[in-house]
Amino acid sequence: DAGVIQSPRHEVTEMGQEVTLRCKLISGHNSLFWYRQTMMRGLELLIYFNNNVPIDDSGMPEDRFSAKMPNASFSTLKIQPSEPRDSAVYFCASSLYGGSPLHFGNGTRLTVT
Amino acid sequence: GENVEQHPSTLSVQEGDSAVIKCTYSDSASNYFPWYKQELGKRPQLIIDIRSNVGEKKDQRIAVTLNKTAKHFSLHITETQPEDSAVYFCAASSQGGSEKLVFGKGTKLTVNP
Repeated sequence: DAGVIQSPRHEVTEMGQEVTLRCKLISGHNSLFWYRQTMMRGLELLIYFNNNVPIDDSGMPEDRFSAKMPNASFSTLKIQPSEPRDSAVYFCASSLYGGSPLHFGNGTRLTVT
Repeated sequence: GENVEQHPSTLSVQEGDSAVIKCTYSDSASNYFPWYKQELGKRPQLIIDIRSNVGEKKDQRIAVTLNKTAKHFSLHITETQPEDSAVYFCAASSQGGSEKLVFGKGTKLTVNP
C-alpha cells in the first residue's frame, strides 16, 4: 500500500488566490482527518470525516476554509481566498475506523505571499 | 475541551542514555494516548500507544506509562541512538481512538553521538 498520498508537496501562492490541497486515503480506511501544523500552534485538527460524512469541523479556522470528500478514497481542502497567515504544513491522515491509529500523509507545505 | 501539555520542549542526551518525555491532559474522560515521532521534513508516525485500561506498555527500547489519577503519561526511550533524534508528540483522545485527538506541542529530542 502506498499510504496516504497528498498533493502537491509544496504550494506557493499569492494572497487572495484559491488553493486546493488533495488527499487520497489508504484503501479500506473509513476515517479522514485534515491537520494543520505550525511552529506556534503545533498540530491542529481542522476537520474529520467518517464514511465520507463530515463529523466535526469545529477546527476549521473560518469560512475561507472548506473540505469535501466526494468519494470514499479522496478528499480536498480548499482555501479561498488565501492569506499569509494560512502558511503552514497541511497534513491529511486516515484511519481504518475512528478507534484505530492515524496514518499521516507526507503533507503539503503551503506558502502564501 | 481537552488540553495536552508536553515537557520538555527540547531535550538533549548522549547516545546510550535514556530520555523521558512527559505529558499531562485535562479531560478525565480521555482514554487513548498515542505517541508520534516526526523527523525533520517528514510526516508524524505512530511509535506506540496506550489505552486507559493499561498502566504501561513496552516495545523494545520504547515504553509508555500512564497515571490516570494524576492525568499524566510519559514516553521512555532507553539506550538512545542518533536515529532517535526527532520531534516527539503526545496526544490524547476521549473517543477511544483517532477521533478528536489533541496533540501536545512536541519535544525536540537530540541524541548526541
